Amino acid sequence: DTGVSQNPRHKITKRGQNVTFRCDPISEHNRLYWYRQTLGQGPEFLTYFQNEAQLEKSRLLSDRFSAERPKGSFSTLEIQRTEQGDSAMYLCASSLALTSGYNEQFFGPGTRLTVL
Amino acid sequence: AQSVTQLDSHVSVSEGTPVLLRCNYSSSYSPSLFWYVQHPNKGLQLLLKYTSAATLVKGINGFEAEFKKSETSFHLTKPSAHMSDAAEYFCVVSLAGNNRKLIWGLGTSLAVNP
Repeated sequence: DTGVSQNPRHKITKRGQNVTFRCDPISEHNRLYWYRQTLGQGPEFLTYFQNEAQLEKSRLLSDRFSAERPKGSFSTLEIQRTEQGDSAMYLCASSLALTSGYNEQFFGPGTRLTVL
Repeated sequence: AQSVTQLDSHVSVSEGTPVLLRCNYSSSYSPSLFWYVQHPNKGLQLLLKYTSAATLVKGINGFEAEFKKSETSFHLTKPSAHMSDAAEYFCVVSLAGNNRKLIWGLGTSLAVNP
């Protein structure tokens, strides 16, 4: 399968613990995005990378959240000191950075986080 | 500011009957508009996109959408529903030239009854 993959698919943690999620984009895609989706809502943009550079961060991304893409390939999203409000589906997407036209974002299956 | 309103949170149709999922948008710029589908336990998939070319856009699985600037609408249609169409559908807008940032509607859950 050459699509976007995310691990783990499900994570249950206790409040206050740190968690880390991984996203492997489609191999030739140089853009990578993180979104958060809560029940009954559409995805909300968190951040995106072009290659290894983090170019934009939403104000939703508090200080407890950090994302990296060290070699411009896979990315990790870490949440420190988790809170119950962090419970959500975390989605990763990737795309090519084209100079014109729409850069279709391809989504992974998501990581569902439950904070107890 | 850009925004998207999906007028129905839930739509139920019988198999073989037409599907209409409604979407209105607000944008200060020439928007790009999309419909994504999300099946349970699967990733979001692009159904179709409007990017200032033809106003009637054909997508995958027999879906179509028509961009109507005067009505600021981008409704999704399909002539005949199939059981496999049952899913969550999202209408999405992005700034023209800024396809990095997608603004999502709240979604419409489509149920298809036998």
